[in-house]
Amino acid sequence: DTAVSQTPKYLVTQMGNDKSIKCEQNLGHDTMYWYKQDSKKFLKIMFSYNNKELIINETVPNRFSPKSPDKAHLNLHINSLELGDSAVYFCASSPPGGASGELFFGEGSRLTVL
Amino acid sequence: SQQGEEDPQALSIQEGENATMNCSYKTSINNLQWYRQNSGRGLVHLILIRSNEREKHSGRLRVTLDTSKKSSSLLITASRAADTASYFCATILGSARQLTFGSGTQLTVLP
Repeated sequence: DTAVSQTPKYLVTQMGNDKSIKCEQNLGHDTMYWYKQDSKKFLKIMFSYNNKELIINETVPNRFSPKSPDKAHLNLHINSLELGDSAVYFCASSPPGGASGELFFGEGSRLTVL
Repeated sequence: SQQGEEDPQALSIQEGENATMNCSYKTSINNLQWYRQNSGRGLVHLILIRSNEREKHSGRLRVTLDTSKKSSSLLITASRAADTASYFCATILGSARQLTFGSGTQLTVLP
């Protein structure tokens, strides 16, 4: 009965590779997010989708491409991985009203680029 | 610059003591939220306080908000070892549509 689930939890890959992280929520929320948490635990929003439509796209390299096949899923694809992409990526969702209420987070996907 | 700065960055206390963490922000807000993150886990929402509220309680948690000083505090009373975690404040700043997180306070409760 996991609310927001991400896969994989750990991802180790070489520089230059392409990888994807998947996220699914079973809460019936309309809005989903991707956040990046660096080694100092600083959280920065990357993208936000509302009902499959992109509403926030912060300044991230275009190597990062989110895809939302339906409002319960928001996947993150990363091309040509770089060392600086190493971080923990969190998916989150929020009920109608957007982020004015609480966010529900997944457990995170730790990406290590070698 | 990062909006929402927690203070202190790290706090270590004995079990049973109270822990106070502070958060400052720079622009107007609609509400302010506090989240907890256990090591290796996702963030969990603790409490939300609206801009027209001054204090809110939830179990052993007490949150205050001073909009004139643009600051909030989270008090955890009678702390337990299980309270060991990072605590983040988060706000929607001005007309922004996303939740912006502070830098977090790492709380360690020693048994």
